[in-house]
Amino acid sequence: AQSVAQPEDQVNVAEGNPLTVKCTYSVSGNPYLFWYVQYPNRGLQFLLKYITGDNLVKGSYGFEAEFNKSQTSFHLKKPSALVSDSALYFCAVRDLGDYKLSFGAGTTVTVRA
Amino acid sequence: SAVISQKPSRDICQRGTSLTIQCQVDSQVTMMFWYRQQPGQSLTLIATANQGSEATYESGFVIDKFPISRPNLTFSTLTVSNMSPEDSSIYLCSVVGTGGGETQYFGPGTRLLVL
Repeated sequence: AQSVAQPEDQVNVAEGNPLTVKCTYSVSGNPYLFWYVQYPNRGLQFLLKYITGDNLVKGSYGFEAEFNKSQTSFHLKKPSALVSDSALYFCAVRDLGDYKLSFGAGTTVTVRA
Repeated sequence: SAVISQKPSRDICQRGTSLTIQCQVDSQVTMMFWYRQQPGQSLTLIATANQGSEATYESGFVIDKFPISRPNLTFSTLTVSNMSPEDSSIYLCSVVGTGGGETQYFGPGTRLLVL
């Protein structure tokens, strides 16, 4: 079985400050890890993924994430947050050979001006 | 990535009725999925829509309640049958491209309110 934990329901940061959204996962084999963002009244937008290779992956809108196998984590980061980054962020995982995604509960990010 | 559209974008329905949601992709895709996002909740996979055969349902979801069709590689429908207020959710379709790529892309969602 595969699962994802996002330990923080909400993250609040000031504009220009670093942003981190935490994610830990559990999967039986090699994980495929994803971050999605959902803006109000919108669908899910893909941000970035880790499949293999470099542990630091870069994605859309200046976001990046670091895969840490020993800590089974895949935290999302942005060096300098913008007010427009305020949204709901989901971490998701799937196992090799299975396309079904398991999602975390989501983290609401609020960036104040 | 593929462009995915869903119809309707939102609807308000009476209990006991049924609603069919359409998902259209602008290119052929390998796999299509249907998810439900209940208010304030995360996404839960309902089923995998299989082209030309019966959908594969996840635990807790049954064909009588959520019949799914996928007649070709670009189109699928999800019907929410005999609706109750508990069915009020966002329903999203997602796809994996024909290249067997790893990324699942999502449609804009259908916001359903059942009164």
